[in-house]
Amino acid sequence: DTGVSQDPRHKITKRGQNVTFRCDPISEHNRLYWYRQTLGQGPEFLTYFQNEAQLEKSRLLSDRFSAERPKGSFSTLEIQRTEQGDSAMYLCASSLPDQPQHFGDGTRLSIL
Amino acid sequence: AQSVTQLGSHVSVSEGALVLLRCNYSSSVPPYLFWYVQYPNQGLQLLLKYTTGATLVKGINGFEAEFKKSETSFHLTKPSAHMSDAAEYFCAAELYKAAGNKLTFGGGTRVLVKP
Repeated sequence: DTGVSQDPRHKITKRGQNVTFRCDPISEHNRLYWYRQTLGQGPEFLTYFQNEAQLEKSRLLSDRFSAERPKGSFSTLEIQRTEQGDSAMYLCASSLPDQPQHFGDGTRLSIL
Repeated sequence: AQSVTQLGSHVSVSEGALVLLRCNYSSSVPPYLFWYVQYPNQGLQLLLKYTTGATLVKGINGFEAEFKKSETSFHLTKPSAHMSDAAEYFCAAELYKAAGNKLTFGGGTRVLVKP
């Protein structure tokens, strides 16, 4: 069990640029989740996959956000035309169905 | 609306003293409940969980929590605080059983341990 891995750990970008984050789940986990955590707050659910299927998206996930899990293994989260309000920690978690979620260390996004 | 509330965004305790972190949920059906700990610049680590059965749940690092349905609470305790317990703690619940086990989190409680 190598844990959930996220890359990069920290991303600094200018407003209006596109960014992409990657998450590698624990290998046997078929569920993968994305959460967003702003400073001083608890994580908020964004979306989740079961295998390669994206089964739910939060209303927080505007049309500038897109997530994929093309082969049911790693996942990417892309933000287009970044805005100041996108500054946050983006957390990925994985699990087996009905088992606790295991979290990665997150990607901290800073918008200049 | 279904939600998770943590009372107190900051708690300060002396080393060796009791740690008590409060969590209440609002849900029409008792949810599965979790406590996670987060150290600076890291992800969340599961401390303990309640699903069904025994209402007193023991976790890692000497923490335990008790599910009280009548009070819709799931408070976290540790009898004797250690300096390494300084971190942020999040209560979370699976409020929507049919929704892929997604978690709803409270706002977090930051614990400061004084020597």
